[in-house]
Amino acid sequence: NAGVTQTPKFRILKIGQSMTLQCTQDMNHNYMYWYRQDPGMGLKLIYYSVGAGITDKGEVPNGYNVSRSTTEDFPLRLELAAPSQTSVYFCASRLQGRTTEAFFGQGTRLTVV
Amino acid sequence: DQQVKQNSPSLSVQEGRISILNCDYTNSMFDYFLWYKKYPAEGPTFLISISSIKDKNEDGRFTVFLNKSAKHLSLHIVPSQPGDSAVYFCAALRINTGTASKLTFGTGTRLQVTL
Repeated sequence: NAGVTQTPKFRILKIGQSMTLQCTQDMNHNYMYWYRQDPGMGLKLIYYSVGAGITDKGEVPNGYNVSRSTTEDFPLRLELAAPSQTSVYFCASRLQGRTTEAFFGQGTRLTVV
Repeated sequence: DQQVKQNSPSLSVQEGRISILNCDYTNSMFDYFLWYKKYPAEGPTFLISISSIKDKNEDGRFTVFLNKSAKHLSLHIVPSQPGDSAVYFCAALRINTGTASKLTFGTGTRLQVTL
């Protein structure tokens, strides 16, 4: 049981490049989330999903896109990377119901230069 | 609008003493409050939670207290150990909103437990 797996762990992008941050979970959780953490700041919600085919914007969605074609996968797409997107990105998943805690991946550290 | 606030960016406590981490919130509709612990280069890990209908939840050395009238919660760690040194995030959760339940996080408090 791997939990929540994010790839890559580190990436350097040039301004204007695009990339996809991968996230997969093997716990059959219906809720999945993408957060970013900037230095000295808390976790800000980018996008979230209640299940396959359903996504919605969080607090800071500009510059990002997501898709949820399966229960397991929730990739985050950056189309035109900007220096403001330099951050650590965390994917999380949660099971709807009595459990409240979300399980996080180890994060992707992205630098845009 | 910061709905969950942790006003102390850092805290230093001696080993064996009590650590008290504080969190304030503005939205009275939150149903659960959670504490997460984060080590460098790792994702946050769940520590303890409390339902909004309770005022205390205890799990080993960790106790969370909720004061709904003051919109305030705190995490007590007794006794503090060097391995507790980490960043602690307070988070709040609304359920049954008709859409995905969103976890809203505070900015974190860095706890350092000294020998």
